[in-house]
Amino acid sequence: AQSVAQPEDQVNVAEGNPLTVKCTYSVSGNPYLFWYVQYPNRGLQFLLKYITGDNLVKGSYGFEAEFNKSQTSFHLKKPSALVSDSALYFCAVIGGFKTIFGAGTRLFVKA
Amino acid sequence: KAGVTQTPRYLIKTRGQQVTLSCSPISGHRSVSWYQQTPGQGLQFLFEYFSETQRNKGNFPGRFSGRQFSNSRSEMNVSTLELGDSALYLCASSLGLAPYEQYFGPGTRLTVT
Repeated sequence: AQSVAQPEDQVNVAEGNPLTVKCTYSVSGNPYLFWYVQYPNRGLQFLLKYITGDNLVKGSYGFEAEFNKSQTSFHLKKPSALVSDSALYFCAVIGGFKTIFGAGTRLFVKA
Repeated sequence: KAGVTQTPRYLIKTRGQQVTLSCSPISGHRSVSWYQQTPGQGLQFLFEYFSETQRNKGNFPGRFSGRQFSNSRSEMNVSTLELGDSALYLCASSLGLAPYEQYFGPGTRLTVT
């Protein structure tokens, strides 16, 4: 069965430090992977996606994600966190022609 | 370009009633998907429409239905509302079917009392 897991409910990081939000997936065939962010009282916003090609994908707001086929992971990263990055982050995978979302990881960036 | 719009933004209904939610996709987008978001279950896929045809359906009872019009606008209907239907209902549009990224509306907050 197709699935995606975000093992951390919450990630805390200090402003200026690097951040990582973890995501692992299980899908048959080639994976199509996405990251979305949800700010308070707003809908989800697309950050980046991996379809094929370079394993390091760059997206909006300085975020990037690394696709690792052997570890079936697609971790979201940012070199220097901002307080404004505090939000709910969702990893998603296309499985069975449907987008399957992870449970979400809440990121807190402390000033 | 205008984003995805959803109406109404907030709804309060009582058990047993039915409700219709509306979604207008980004101009040029032909695919519309619906999701239910709750604190306990997260984001759950309801259905996807493309060119007025339902292409995929999630694991929801038949009380949940939808349709898409020729201008790509979409509606979803929930009949015989239950307390557990209280949720944020999100609509997302994309240029086409997967693996296009989706663009989400602000959602309709439905409260069933």
